[in-house]
Amino acid sequence: DAGVTQSPTHLIKTRGQQVTLRCSPKSGHDTVSWYQQALGQGPQFIFQYYEEEERQRGNFPDRFSGHQFPNYSSELNVNALLLGDSALYLCASSSLDRAHSGANVLTFGAGSRLTVL
Amino acid sequence: AQRVTQPEKLLSVFKGAPVELKCNYSYSGSPELFWYVQYSRQRLQLLLRHISRESIKGFTADLNKGETSFHLKKPFAQEEDSAMYYCALDHGQNFVFGPGTRLSVLP
Repeated sequence: DAGVTQSPTHLIKTRGQQVTLRCSPKSGHDTVSWYQQALGQGPQFIFQYYEEEERQRGNFPDRFSGHQFPNYSSELNVNALLLGDSALYLCASSSLDRAHSGANVLTFGAGSRLTVL
Repeated sequence: AQRVTQPEKLLSVFKGAPVELKCNYSYSGSPELFWYVQYSRQRLQLLLRHISRESIKGFTADLNKGETSFHLKKPFAQEEDSAMYYCALDHGQNFVFGPGTRLSVLP
């Protein structure tokens, strides 16, 4: 099991552009959460997807949107990029089934580092 | 609002010395707290969770609801413990992370 895989690992965009980041969850996990980690800070929750729907959302503007596919993989889209969107974007998968061993434990990917110029 | 604070950005100790990484939280419900660790060039990973009441790599953490704290402790630090440590609170599958403490264990 490759665990959580994210792509791309690095990318550079300019202000106003749009970006799509991708995530495949760990085998057996059905829930995908996205976090933004700015330099020197802890991860901040963006949103969570389960059963192809956004279940929870953090304090991020509508420019941030996502999607979950039937195979549980997920995308994060950011429109109208700002300089302040430069960060490491982390995908984490988990299982909502509380009977599942390790439920509510997050398994993180390596992240996608976005630089906005 | 839910909040996790870690007052120390950097903590340096000598090998063999005790270490305590502080974590305080604010949460109105019954909290589930975690410590995540990131070693150099590795992914963020779970170290321990309070509900398991276990010791991982010699680390323990006790939830103190009166002081709203979940400090991470180890009696004898090792060089391989050098890493970034994040305290996190599970707010219904929406994790709130602290800013992190970088632990540096000196030889």
